[in-house]
Amino acid sequence: TQLLEQSPQFLSIQEGENLTVYCNSSSVFSSLQWYRQEPGEGPVLLVTVVTGGEVKKLKRLTFQFGDARKDSSLHITAAQPGDTGLYLCAGEKGGSEKLVFGKGTKLTVNP
Amino acid sequence: DTAVSQTPKYLVTQMGNDKSIKCEQNLGHDTMYWYKQDSKKFLKIMFSYNNKELIINETVPNRFSPKSPDKAHLNLHINSLELGDSAVYFCASSQDLTSGWGEQFFGPGTRLTVL
Repeated sequence: TQLLEQSPQFLSIQEGENLTVYCNSSSVFSSLQWYRQEPGEGPVLLVTVVTGGEVKKLKRLTFQFGDARKDSSLHITAAQPGDTGLYLCAGEKGGSEKLVFGKGTKLTVNP
Repeated sequence: DTAVSQTPKYLVTQMGNDKSIKCEQNLGHDTMYWYKQDSKKFLKIMFSYNNKELIINETVPNRFSPKSPDKAHLNLHINSLELGDSAVYFCASSQDLTSGWGEQFFGPGTRLTVL
């Protein structure tokens, strides 16, 4: 059973469009991280959200943690080709000693 | 300057062989990890070391043995390689685990192909 479900699995859009990627679970997480991974490289942290209902913005990227801390979303405004990559959410369950990753959303932004 | 480095970048070998992957971090972090990313890009933790002490050992076959000579290094040795071991292996590091899950810094990965 996959603890963190990400959707969609693949997303191909045109430059300038908006998009939202979702990370859902039936479990409560004490914190949730979003990473972006480019081909041939390791994941790089974008943001960590820790409070239910929290919204964080990183330029054109907006991250939201669900009120119940079971889900999160990533919204990208006016996507650019440089946004292309694999977006991974990762959650920490309270008292756990490991970070659980979702399977990722592969985003392609076409010029 | 590379924060987390791994060698080799690519590793192609025959079934049954023994191989090692090396990892070094120059961030002064206390905790290091090994992750396996399969062909579907699913990233799963294998091991975690804190100050050279093993703290996480997921259900990984005994053929995989991590070794941490000091807190800046975490190497992964794999015995009797199998076809299913083909994947990209990532090393990562973070600050002291006991203070919560901070940012994990990943290495560039080692693509292992078992023929």
